Amino acid sequence: ETGVTQSPTHLIKTRGQQVTLRCSSQSGHNTVSWYQQALGQGPQFIFQYYREEENGRGNFPPRFSGLQFPNYSSELNVNALELDDSALYLCASSRSSGGRGDTQYFGPGTRLTVL
Amino acid sequence: GENVEQHPSTLSVQEGDSAVIKCTYSDSASNYFPWYKQELGKRPQLIIDIRSNVGEKKDQRIAVTLNKTAKHFSLHITETQPEDSAVYFCAASGKSATNKLIFGTGTLLAVQP
Repeated sequence: ETGVTQSPTHLIKTRGQQVTLRCSSQSGHNTVSWYQQALGQGPQFIFQYYREEENGRGNFPPRFSGLQFPNYSSELNVNALELDDSALYLCASSRSSGGRGDTQYFGPGTRLTVL
Repeated sequence: GENVEQHPSTLSVQEGDSAVIKCTYSDSASNYFPWYKQELGKRPQLIIDIRSNVGEKKDQRIAVTLNKTAKHFSLHITETQPEDSAVYFCAASGKSATNKLIFGTGTLLAVQP
């Protein structure tokens, strides 16, 4: 198992609500990436945080936002939840960002259900 | 845009047989190609990866090959066992400011005992 942890494990929300998901990176890692995995699909890149700054973003609307803290843990916030936001949200930590192919280690994910 | 295609979507083999999963990527700048295994309800787990300066890499029963010219890479599992049953994802990452992974659509591997 990796040293990446996520909370909560499961979450049920209703349309229009807001949600915050949390991720603790593996020791020695300063980069956290967030992915959305819909049922039966591969993970889709949401954004990445490197040393507390957003360092790249996928094709997700601004209501998906994030933070990274000085200890490199991270939060994913989603406002105005929609039914299509129901998915497994995965965070992955790596030693660094950039084009060197640093291995990404995934957390167990948060299963979000929007009713 | 960046895209990774993965085939087949499902694969059923007999225990002891070999399994091969193939991926094609579109971004010629991609330089890192990991493979993840995901069991039902679990996190994706890295099983092997390869970088663009290498053509083949092997780790016990698992091997990955890369053809940069054709932009293909493949996962080979030999002597399959029932515990190899899972969804396998290929991914590619390029030379950009972020090492974001572009994933394939996954292959459901079933190893029949």
